[in-house]
Amino acid sequence: GQNIDQPTEMTATEGAIVQINCTYQTSGFNGLFWYQQHAGEAPTFLSYNVLDGLEEKGRFSSFLSRSKGYSYLLLKELQMKDSASYLCAVRDANNAGNMLTFGGGTRLMVKP
Amino acid sequence: NAGVMQNPRHLVRRRGQEARLRCSPMKGHSHVYWYRQLPEEGLKFMVYLQKENIIDESGMPKERFSAEFPKEGPSILRIQQVVRGDSAAYFCASSLDRVANYGYTFGSGTRLTVV
Repeated sequence: GQNIDQPTEMTATEGAIVQINCTYQTSGFNGLFWYQQHAGEAPTFLSYNVLDGLEEKGRFSSFLSRSKGYSYLLLKELQMKDSASYLCAVRDANNAGNMLTFGGGTRLMVKP
Repeated sequence: NAGVMQNPRHLVRRRGQEARLRCSPMKGHSHVYWYRQLPEEGLKFMVYLQKENIIDESGMPKERFSAEFPKEGPSILRIQQVVRGDSAAYFCASSLDRVANYGYTFGSGTRLTVV
């Protein structure tokens, strides 16, 4: 099975930097994904890591350590529109469909 | 190129009625996944289908729930004799192949309310 943990809520200030952590346990790791979900909307793809290290994409970066079962999403220069839930998801190579298993999500509130 | 289309966006059903949720994947995508999201919770996998085949339904309740993805037409998630606990957002996602490194593309979801 899989177990994915991330904080339930975080608060940060506009213009600041915030790091959202995700730890996971899986038997057949085959990639970690971060999604953004605004209230009442569909999740949208942010990033994908399969090898250790940092992937940078504009204001967002994602880091992976496979040996530690750990990832983080780093958001820089926070904007009010970044207020959303951030979902960590792991893909398991042992299941037939490479389905993604999601954590409970971290609800980020950006304050002025 | 339209994205993943789900309809209806909102669905209200009385207890005991049937709910039918439809999902048209992105053009060229033959892999469809259904997820359920309860209020303030994460996405829970329900079922994975390819055209005319159910590949994995390990996350779908054994009773009252069924899914199909016919050769022609959208994928359908069917919930019979709905109960209040079925109230949730149901998201469909599609991918080009099962090893997609961009993850899935999600539809906008169907929000089912059982009254």
